[in-house]
Amino acid sequence: KAGVTQTPRYLIKTRGQQVTLSCSPISGHRSVSWYQQTPGQGLQFLFEYFSETQRNKGNFPGRFSGRQFSNSRSEMNVSTLELGDSALYLCASSLAVSSGGEYEQYFGPGTRLTVT
Amino acid sequence: AQSVAQPEDQVNVAEGNPLTVKCTYSVSGNPYLFWYVQYPNRGLQFLLKYITGDNLVKGSYGFEAEFNKSQTSFHLKKPSALVSDSALYFCAVRDIAGNTPLVFGKGTRLSVIA
Repeated sequence: KAGVTQTPRYLIKTRGQQVTLSCSPISGHRSVSWYQQTPGQGLQFLFEYFSETQRNKGNFPGRFSGRQFSNSRSEMNVSTLELGDSALYLCASSLAVSSGGEYEQYFGPGTRLTVT
Repeated sequence: AQSVAQPEDQVNVAEGNPLTVKCTYSVSGNPYLFWYVQYPNRGLQFLLKYITGDNLVKGSYGFEAEFNKSQTSFHLKKPSALVSDSALYFCAVRDIAGNTPLVFGKGTRLSVIA
């Protein structure tokens, strides 16, 4: 089975621009979560989706948004980029159904975003 | 609100010695607990989890963890460390009761010295 894929793997953007990151979950996984990883803050939760519905949202400004499609693929968008948005953005999928928090998550390799 | 603490930023251990990476958690109800490992320039890999039942859980690569409810801890252990175990380790918790996200600790960097 193919793992979680994320595209692109690397991005360089300028302050003020916007960016869209894509995630394809493992086949059969309907739950997708996004995280921001930085050296100082560790892993910060962004969003969690299940069957196209946002189940949870982290404490990030409204510039960060996401969505999930009917095929479980997910995208996240960051508008008006700031230098502090430079980070590794990780996507994870799981077999979780409904409130199945006991299922482990499988992570993609991440998208490394650099904002200059 | 749920939270995870990994009190050590860095753990150094000699190859062949036992290793322990510490984790304590806080949830309002009962927890689901997870350990993940991250190798350089890669995403996180699942190691093991505690859901219910036996307090000692065994996972990948010879790792195990013990759930201690009274101490709200879930320390990761391995009897004999390998140089290849050197990586960044994350503990994570999710409250069984509510519709809450998975919360990660800040990570502990393990260095195994030959």
